[in-house]
Amino acid sequence: EVQLVESGGGLVQPGGSLRLSCAASGFTFSNYWMIWVRQAPGKGLEWVANIKQDGSEKKYVDSVKGRFTFSRDNAKNSLYLQMNSLRAEDTAVYYCARRIAETNTGGYFDSWGQGALVTVSS
Amino acid sequence: QSVLTQPPSVSGAPGQRVTISCTGGSSNIGTGYTVNWYQQLPGAAPKLLIYGNFNRPSGVPDRFSGSKSGTSASLAITGLQAGDEADYYCQSYDISLSGNWVFGGGTKLTVL
Repeated sequence: EVQLVESGGGLVQPGGSLRLSCAASGFTFSNYWMIWVRQAPGKGLEWVANIKQDGSEKKYVDSVKGRFTFSRDNAKNSLYLQMNSLRAEDTAVYYCARRIAETNTGGYFDSWGQGALVTVSS
Repeated sequence: QSVLTQPPSVSGAPGQRVTISCTGGSSNIGTGYTVNWYQQLPGAAPKLLIYGNFNRPSGVPDRFSGSKSGTSASLAITGLQAGDEADYYCQSYDISLSGNWVFGGGTKLTVL
């Protein structure tokens, strides 16, 4: 069974940093593109970042470029989202998910974690 | 303002059929990239419901069906059940600017 478990969420002040982790199990992690999606309180879903199987290609939504860094450790079956210069508008539940696709475009997200809440507030 | 447009809410009585529309444009659905649908039950993570415009993952009942035409797509749910009450999101890929995976704003389904 595919499992994705996020951790590392919490309360952080504006301008601060936080690192989210996502532990994967139940599938050959290194074979898949992976993504982060976030959901602000009471709002819809927003794709945040995407990473290739070997970590060599990454893509970010414009609003987080230069502030967030997506990485993976295939030996540990883990994803990481380093979030710097956090803003109030980054407050959201962050989900890691598996992307099914053959290229760096398109595809769909077939398995999701339970989410980690990040609150940016003073 | 979401790139893909969905109605904020739809409702139906148990046993009825409802449809949820998803309207995009020439830079996303109209390019030929597929539309996918996700169901988010209250307090839960999203779950893949339909992929590749009309395919159902194993375990998803055939009461759920998807279609696509031009720059729009639709999700149909027949034989409505109380357990279908959830938020539904469409998703595709947009080739404009830097290229992003995009979602609709979500539709709240209420079973009356």
